[in-house]
Amino acid sequence: AAGVIQSPRHLIKEKRETATLKCYPIPRHDTVYWYQQGPGQDPQFLISFYEKMQSDKGSIPDRFSAQQFSDYHSELNMSSLELGDSALYFCASNLAEVDFNEQFFGPGTRLTVL
Amino acid sequence: AQKVTQAQTEISVVEKEDVTLDCVYETRDTTYYLFWYKQPPSGELVFLIRRNSFDEQNEISGRYSWNFQKSTSSFNFTITASQVVDSAVYFCALVGQGGSEKLVFGKGTKLTVNP
Repeated sequence: AAGVIQSPRHLIKEKRETATLKCYPIPRHDTVYWYQQGPGQDPQFLISFYEKMQSDKGSIPDRFSAQQFSDYHSELNMSSLELGDSALYFCASNLAEVDFNEQFFGPGTRLTVL
Repeated sequence: AQKVTQAQTEISVVEKEDVTLDCVYETRDTTYYLFWYKQPPSGELVFLIRRNSFDEQNEISGRYSWNFQKSTSSFNFTITASQVVDSAVYFCALVGQGGSEKLVFGKGTKLTVNP
């Protein structure tokens, strides 16, 4: 079965650079969630989208923005990168009316900021 | 506010031992879902189980079993006859049905199974 696809899988950036992480949900899924997991930490919710509209927002820095496109894929844009942004970024998706409480996770993008 | 507590930060056992990972949760929602995820060193989150708040039946899947007790707000996870491949960080998580769909994770328990 198709899974959530995240690209790139690994990304190395310098401080103050920008990064764009992409998430392709499971086909027919209409909801996307982004989580950030720092080293040795638990995943923390950043933001979610349902039908291309932002549905919930967590502790997402103002330097980050995200959107969901017409094909339901989502992009997380991160500007003015800081060392503390180094983390594993997970995207998850579901079909809201069916899987409301289950989120299918992608493999993650490991971002390293030098 | 929702909260998940995994009091055990790290556990180390010898292969074939049984081990129980504890999870205590807090929520004001009457309907909620509890999850366990496994995160091996490679980093991906592997879904293990989902349990809704109305289903207190314990579940067994091979060497894994889960004990859900609403009276103590606990959802504990037991691995029987542990194996080296069980070494990973295990997260307990909660999502309520009170508006926010976000998963709230515990801090995780790092399990090391030694040969």
